[in-house]
Amino acid sequence: EVQLVQSGAEVKKPGESLKISCRGSGYTFITYWIGWVRQMPGKGLEWMGIIYPRDSDTRYSPSFQGQVTISTDKSTSTAYLQWSSLKASDSATYYCARHRSVGGTDGLDVWGQGTAVTVSS
Amino acid sequence: DIQMTQSPPSLSASVGNRVTITCRASQSINSYLNWYQQIPGKAPKLVIFTTSSLQSGVPPRFSGSGSGTDYTLTISSLQLEDFATYFCQQTYITPHTFGQGTKLEIK
Repeated sequence: EVQLVQSGAEVKKPGESLKISCRGSGYTFITYWIGWVRQMPGKGLEWMGIIYPRDSDTRYSPSFQGQVTISTDKSTSTAYLQWSSLKASDSATYYCARHRSVGGTDGLDVWGQGTAVTVSS
Repeated sequence: DIQMTQSPPSLSASVGNRVTITCRASQSINSYLNWYQQIPGKAPKLVIFTTSSLQSGVPPRFSGSGSGTDYTLTISSLQLEDFATYFCQQTYITPHTFGQGTKLEIK
């Protein structure tokens, strides 16, 4: 079964760092683009960026460029989303998702279960 | 960035109704338009990809059409499990922007 399994919920303080993960299984991890999507409470979906695990080619939304870092570890089939200094406005649920074809130009067909991040003093 | 505008923001309908949701892009996206369904508390689910291709496992009452800047998602005969929020997304150019969503509610 093709699946993405994300790390668990996090509660952090402003200024702290965080790295959440998304482990793929059931398919050849390096050949499909993986994306990250933010959903703030009660709001819509925001595209953050995508990464191609084979060569780590990464594209960011201008809204998130410089605010987060997307990476992968091919040896463990895991994608990561990290912050160096969290803000309260980073509180949201973060989803990873896989593009359904190797070209990365069609839909996101496999989604992780989401990681809820709460940033509060 | 390409802006995606969905309409209506919300829609009330009854079981058995036919409904259409519209998504307009700020420039041509060459049919690289996808639709997702999201039930509260759950991850989004891909329904339609590249304008009109039905994702595996999705019932055929869902269909998509469009070209250029204008696209539609149609549900031919609403079932209870279809009441959810629907998002469009363009995957023509990064950033792969989403529409703001259409909440489909039971009348």
